[in-house]
Amino acid sequence: DTEVTQTPKHLVMGMTNKKSLKCEQHMGHRAMYWYKQKAKKPPELMFVYSYEKLSINESVPSRFSPECPNSSLLNLHLHALQPEDSALYLCASSPTQPGLAGYSYEQYFGPGTRLTVT
Amino acid sequence: AQTVTQSQPEMSVQEAETVTLSCTYDTSESDYYLFWYKQPPSRQMILVIRQEAYKQQNATENRFSVNFQKAAKSFSLKISDSQLGDAAMYFCAYRRINNDMRFGAGTRLTVKP
Repeated sequence: DTEVTQTPKHLVMGMTNKKSLKCEQHMGHRAMYWYKQKAKKPPELMFVYSYEKLSINESVPSRFSPECPNSSLLNLHLHALQPEDSALYLCASSPTQPGLAGYSYEQYFGPGTRLTVT
Repeated sequence: AQTVTQSQPEMSVQEAETVTLSCTYDTSESDYYLFWYKQPPSRQMILVIRQEAYKQQNATENRFSVNFQKAAKSFSLKISDSQLGDAAMYFCAYRRINNDMRFGAGTRLTVKP
């Protein structure tokens, strides 16, 4: 299973709402990532979790709150978002153990959640 | 800081023809990985091909191949026998060991029937 799943596919929320994005992988990867992607732009890294611990926060506003409850699951909690936060949110995962057979450094991406903030 | 440059915002190719997408990167490291990802309108980022910097041989995956010039810090993608399904945004990416991935700005490829 080389799949990263994300739910929901689409989300429309008001600026006062609280919502969550979910990402799941069952490849045994211990690094998971959240990216934000605007139209016709490359993905921008938001957060990195390594072994369920937050290792990188790219100065993301506190209205985005990541959570990694276990090694397979990554959430992104959203609160009081702004219209400019409307974007495609991508989740990715990658292995973290060099030397294992089949190890490689690529990231496996989910299909993304299209978020619209009204 | 490592940067990745894709100088062609848009490219076009006739079906069944060959096209080359350019990518250059800036790094002082000797050990790293390079990737080409494809993002069709469906939005899913799909790995096309990877290249380990320590390997001199250029990577090949079916109709996709790279021209990796380490000294010139160049990593171009050649698509042979282009198909309509190849139409997508293509991102070049660089990654050092245990570091995050850096993406280029992308090249939008159109395939004409």
